[in-house]
Amino acid sequence: GAVVSQHPSWVICKSGTSVKIECRSLDFQATTMFWYRQFPKQSLMLMATSNEGSKATYEQGVEKDKFLINHASLTLSTLTVTSAHPEDSSFYICSAPQTSGSSGETQYFGPGTRLLVL
Amino acid sequence: KQEVTQIPAALSVPEGENLVLNCSFTDSAIYNLQWFRQDPGKGLTSLLLIQSSQREQTSGRLNASLDKSSGRSTLYIAASQPGDSATYLCAVNGGNQFYFGTGTSLTVIP
Repeated sequence: GAVVSQHPSWVICKSGTSVKIECRSLDFQATTMFWYRQFPKQSLMLMATSNEGSKATYEQGVEKDKFLINHASLTLSTLTVTSAHPEDSSFYICSAPQTSGSSGETQYFGPGTRLLVL
Repeated sequence: KQEVTQIPAALSVPEGENLVLNCSFTDSAIYNLQWFRQDPGKGLTSLLLIQSSQREQTSGRLNASLDKSSGRSTLYIAASQPGDSATYLCAVNGGNQFYFGTGTSLTVIP
């Protein structure tokens, strides 16, 4: 089946630095990808929709300038957490939909990236 | 490795019926379990989160239960409406990774 990868799986950084997380669809093309985050003991929540060739769509309450999303190609979307602070420590996960004639749309999820900001 | 299964894969019911969606997982060592709704072309919408120490959560017409020992969770939807038509996913949080089920496609017929 289709596979979505994320890199890195773990990242620890100092406060004030920027961190880039990559999401790749390995064997299919995705014009749209989704980014989620989960704070400890809270629900996984949608952050933004990444659109290839156009600007990302952010959910209410998510800062566009802090979470930069670039959908560089049909197989790659990146999320950059700029000037990260401890409160940005979270689990970030991406997903990419694949559409087939018989199955409709199926979401494939990356394994996630755990970010710890010191 | 954790495996998450959802049954049935598709379900069609007339409006007003109560229904149950099932989710099973193979490893009971989980942090929490979430139920999501997915509409075509959209990202996931979180419906209910059940921590590993809890047995159920309720939100409006939705009730989710969790039985860790048997590796099962159910999502109960009361008085279904056409607007409930969507794909429902369950996801198990194993600590370092999420494991998603394949989803149940629900159609509520007016």
